[in-house]
Amino acid sequence: AQSVTQLDSQVPVFEEAPVELRCNYSSSVSVYLFWYVQYPNQGLQLLLKYLSGSTLVKGINGFEAEFNKSQTSFHLRKPSVHISDTAEYFCSLTGGGSYIPTFGRGTSLIVHP
Amino acid sequence: DAGVIQSPRHEVTEMGQEVTLRCKPISGHDYLFWYRQTMMRGLELLIYFNNNVPIDDSGMPEDRFSAKMPNASFSTLKIQPSEPRDSAVYFCASTSTSGSREQYFGPGTRLTVT
Repeated sequence: AQSVTQLDSQVPVFEEAPVELRCNYSSSVSVYLFWYVQYPNQGLQLLLKYLSGSTLVKGINGFEAEFNKSQTSFHLRKPSVHISDTAEYFCSLTGGGSYIPTFGRGTSLIVHP
Repeated sequence: DAGVIQSPRHEVTEMGQEVTLRCKPISGHDYLFWYRQTMMRGLELLIYFNNNVPIDDSGMPEDRFSAKMPNASFSTLKIQPSEPRDSAVYFCASTSTSGSREQYFGPGTRLTVT
């Protein structure tokens, strides 16, 4: 069985401040990890993904994430957030040969001016 | 490609009525997923298809829910009869086994059952 835990349901932050959204996972097989963003009244869209290779992956809109196998984590970071980053963020994984994802509960990022 | 297309975008219906949600996946994608999103339960996987064949419908909440995929470019999710607790946003997503396993989501259908 596999699982994804997003430790924070809500993260408030001021504009231009750095932010980290936490994601921990559990899986008995090798994993592929994803972060998706959902803006209000829209579907989820891919921010970034880790498939293999370098553990630091960069995505769209200045976001990056680091795969840490020993800590089973895939935290999302951005050095300076904008008001437009206010959205719901979902961490997801697929394991082994499966194409069926497991999603976390989501973290609501709220950027204040 | 136009991405995953869902219709209608909004549906308001009365309790007891039949509701049909529609989805067109990205051309060439061989997996199709139906999700439901609510504040209380988050994002739930209802059913998924591989090459038009339903593989796992264990997430379908009740027999009132059914889904079909008659061909590679069309799928429907039907609720009959609908109930107020079915009010949610329903997403369709697709992915390709020849790709990197990321999911491509449609814009969703917001269903309100009164």
